[in-house]
Amino acid sequence: DTGVSQDPRHKITKRGQNVTFRCDPISEHNRLYWYRQTLGQGPEFLTYFQNEAQLEKSRLLSDRFSAERPKGSFSTLEIQRTEQGDSAMYLCASSPLNRDPQQFFGPGTRLTVL
Amino acid sequence: DAKTTQPPSMDCAEGRAANLPCNHSTISGNEYVYWYRQIHSQGPQYIIHGLKNNETNEMASLIITEDRKSSTLILPHATLRDTAVYYCIVRGLYNFNKFYFGSGTKLNVKP
Repeated sequence: DTGVSQDPRHKITKRGQNVTFRCDPISEHNRLYWYRQTLGQGPEFLTYFQNEAQLEKSRLLSDRFSAERPKGSFSTLEIQRTEQGDSAMYLCASSPLNRDPQQFFGPGTRLTVL
Repeated sequence: DAKTTQPPSMDCAEGRAANLPCNHSTISGNEYVYWYRQIHSQGPQYIIHGLKNNETNEMASLIITEDRKSSTLILPHATLRDTAVYYCIVRGLYNFNKFYFGSGTKLNVKP
């Protein structure tokens, strides 16, 4: 257990529905990252925050995806109008700002879109 | 950040040393080599990182060649629980941005 938690761990939804995932990072970590991982591939970067500011978004993050970190603590990732291609593991990681930038990963949320 | 090349899979007998290679021929002087692993259905787990000197911790050893163009992660006594995908990543130490994971090496530890 790295101290990063994600909720839910599993989500099954029907195509066209909206889903929201939550990530709680290690409390003193300023940076928070979202990655997506499909079967047989390594994690791919989606976006990251420094405190509440979203500093970078991948081109993988289409208009249907939105991420927030309103008070610089927990973060949410929302997918609107889900598609079958959104089925993946969504991973959250956090890291401290001014020390060795090792990233600590949560257990992930596995999304299945039917 | 420099790209890395790893073999897609490797086998290792339980109790023996597992040596996982990584090529990073375009690494620059201020870039570190990180190793993470991912056990099935879990998030990636940090193992070790280094710049140019060999490093050792309770999990593994990292051997970086003198020209820094390749490295080897060594698990000294592999157990069945070490079966996982191992990722070699190169990144600047003070680059707080994303990691590029690639496809990694699937290590199969066999009894």
